[in-house]
Amino acid sequence: DTEVTQTPKHLVMGMTNKKSLKCEQHMGHRAMYWYKQKAKKPPELMFVYSYEKLSINESVPSRFSPECPNSSLLNLHLHALQPEDSALYLCASSLSLSETQYFGPGTRLLVL
Amino acid sequence: QKEVEQNSGPLSVPEGAIASLNCTYSDRVSQSFFWYRQYSGKSPELIMSIYSNGDKEDGRFTAQLNKASQYVSLLIRDSQPSDSATYLCAVGGNYGGSQGNLIFGKGTKLSVKP
Repeated sequence: DTEVTQTPKHLVMGMTNKKSLKCEQHMGHRAMYWYKQKAKKPPELMFVYSYEKLSINESVPSRFSPECPNSSLLNLHLHALQPEDSALYLCASSLSLSETQYFGPGTRLLVL
Repeated sequence: QKEVEQNSGPLSVPEGAIASLNCTYSDRVSQSFFWYRQYSGKSPELIMSIYSNGDKEDGRFTAQLNKASQYVSLLIRDSQPSDSATYLCAVGGNYGGSQGNLIFGKGTKLSVKP
């Protein structure tokens, strides 16, 4: 089973809202990732967690705040987003860093 | 600056033909190489991973890696209209701070005509 789940599928939020994206996997993977993908562009890495510790933070604005409560869960907390943050947010997981990454279905975010 | 280059296409092939997708990368010490397929509006789906020089076959798909030339390709035999998608080449490091940091190419859009 190579399934990564993400909720919600779609999210519309105002610039003053606070919301969270959730990602879950039950494959025993110890590395989890957040990517942002704009239309007709490749995914851009945002954050990497390895063994529940933040491993990579690709200079992402502080209005995005990741959290890894346990080895199966990854959250992305959103606050005071801008319209240019509208994108497809992808979660991925892998057995460990440098192993094959499997993507979830994504959350399509629209910021008004 | 680590880069992964792909021809953006679109690459158009007739049904039943072989589609050949190419990718070059700049970081000579890259260790892992992946091909993902992405349908419009969907998330990337793993097609193949390859780590060693040579060919790796899985059904209608063959990945080829040449580390000396810093080149990786994907061949799709007997192309079907359902193969029409954007194919993303991704390259990963295997050491230190680069672990987990996949560098994606911009993707090649493939169109298979019935």
